[in-house]
Amino acid sequence: SAVISQKPSRDICQRGTSLTIQCQVDSQVTMMFWYRQQPGQSLTLIATANQGSEATYESGFVIDKFPISRPNLTFSTLTVSNMSPEDSSIYLCSVAGTSGQETQYFGPGTRLLVL
Amino acid sequence: AQSVTQPDIHITVSEGASLELRCNYSYGATPYLFWYVQSPGQGLQLLLKYFSGDTLVQGIKGFEAEFKRSQSSFNLRKPSVHWSDAAEYFCAVGLSGGYNKLIFGAGTRLAVHP
Repeated sequence: SAVISQKPSRDICQRGTSLTIQCQVDSQVTMMFWYRQQPGQSLTLIATANQGSEATYESGFVIDKFPISRPNLTFSTLTVSNMSPEDSSIYLCSVAGTSGQETQYFGPGTRLLVL
Repeated sequence: AQSVTQPDIHITVSEGASLELRCNYSYGATPYLFWYVQSPGQGLQLLLKYFSGDTLVQGIKGFEAEFKRSQSSFNLRKPSVHWSDAAEYFCAVGLSGGYNKLIFGAGTRLAVHP
């Protein structure tokens, strides 16, 4: 399976600011995804990061709040914009290939606290 | 709509005891099924997966799971739990038809008593 890293691993931010989270994979992958895990909750898919095109957002998530970039097949960023305390969560990226039997592998997550 | 239900929010077992974590799904087509484990402060690690074939699948760390289509279930089992198994366990269903979107259950938090 791919080795996935995320930066930063954790951060404490002030409300109204923005934070960009990076996801780096050690091999080329077709699919990259971004999830949010709110405190004590399960994972919710934010969007699918598409290489060379705009991300595909799930219901309840918008590009203005969570802009995503995917400049190549090994790297993606998620920005959490104009943060509020409700954005305090773990943000995880995951990757999948094109084998036709898709298994998603997850990064270690970014723990964000907004004050 | 697709959904995954993990009926047990918290489970506590004694070290050495057997374990079964329940997972039920709602999905019209043949699902791809996964169990992930999240240790405190960590990301998600894949324990095992079911795509097709043998309905009893073996995973890492001595875990296994059985797919029962008639019951729409994919329960996770381990014959003898170790203290290091204390973690949160997530069942997920992958939607077929291309690049799978994962739907996660709410998770089951496992505590292990010495």
